Amino acid sequence: DVKVTQSSRYLVKRTGEKVFLECVQDMDHENMFWYRQDPGLGLRLIYFSYDVKMKEKGDIPEGYSVSREKKERFSLILESASTNQTSMYLCASSDSDLINTGELFFGEGSRLTVL
Amino acid sequence: GENVEQHPSTLSVQEGDSAVIKCTYSDSASNYFPWYKQELGKRPQLIIDIRSNVGEKKDQRIAVTLNKTAKHFSLHITETQPEDSAVYFCAATTRGGGNTPLVFGKGTRLSVIA
Repeated sequence: DVKVTQSSRYLVKRTGEKVFLECVQDMDHENMFWYRQDPGLGLRLIYFSYDVKMKEKGDIPEGYSVSREKKERFSLILESASTNQTSMYLCASSDSDLINTGELFFGEGSRLTVL
Repeated sequence: GENVEQHPSTLSVQEGDSAVIKCTYSDSASNYFPWYKQELGKRPQLIIDIRSNVGEKKDQRIAVTLNKTAKHFSLHITETQPEDSAVYFCAATTRGGGNTPLVFGKGTRLSVIA
């Protein structure tokens, strides 16, 4: 089974703090994604990566950055957390020559609360 | 870019009845349409998908239909059971269109009442 592991299930941070959300997949997938899930808004793509050191903006990249130094790891960074970034963050990976065709395998999610 | 609308946002059905969730998309070039199911407190998982060269696909009690002319696709669940209660997300994308990830609908919360 594909395993996508997110480092923290629950985090509580203060406004202005720098936040790192880590995601690791064990199936040698080329593609990795960070989504944000909010009630009534569905899954919104923040950033994605189709190769090491490559990154592309999704629909809502403002206030976020990412890092992919190794194939198996994709990190989401909130440089200065704000209360409107309180949300559930989902990491996903897929194995496909074309980024849009492979099944997405999601992690369990990281629920971030910014006070 | 692609825009996916999903309806209804919530749906309650009696156990044993059928449930239908509908999605429309805007990009006529989209040709891959998956559905994901997210049970409470769990991760989303792919349950079925359809590609534009077919009009319908079935897998036991679930089926997906696609109308490319009207740019809409639907998920059908027959003989619903309590374990079907979940949030369902449709998505669309342009297969072969380069680095264009899936665009998801906002989700439908299905409640199956025993």
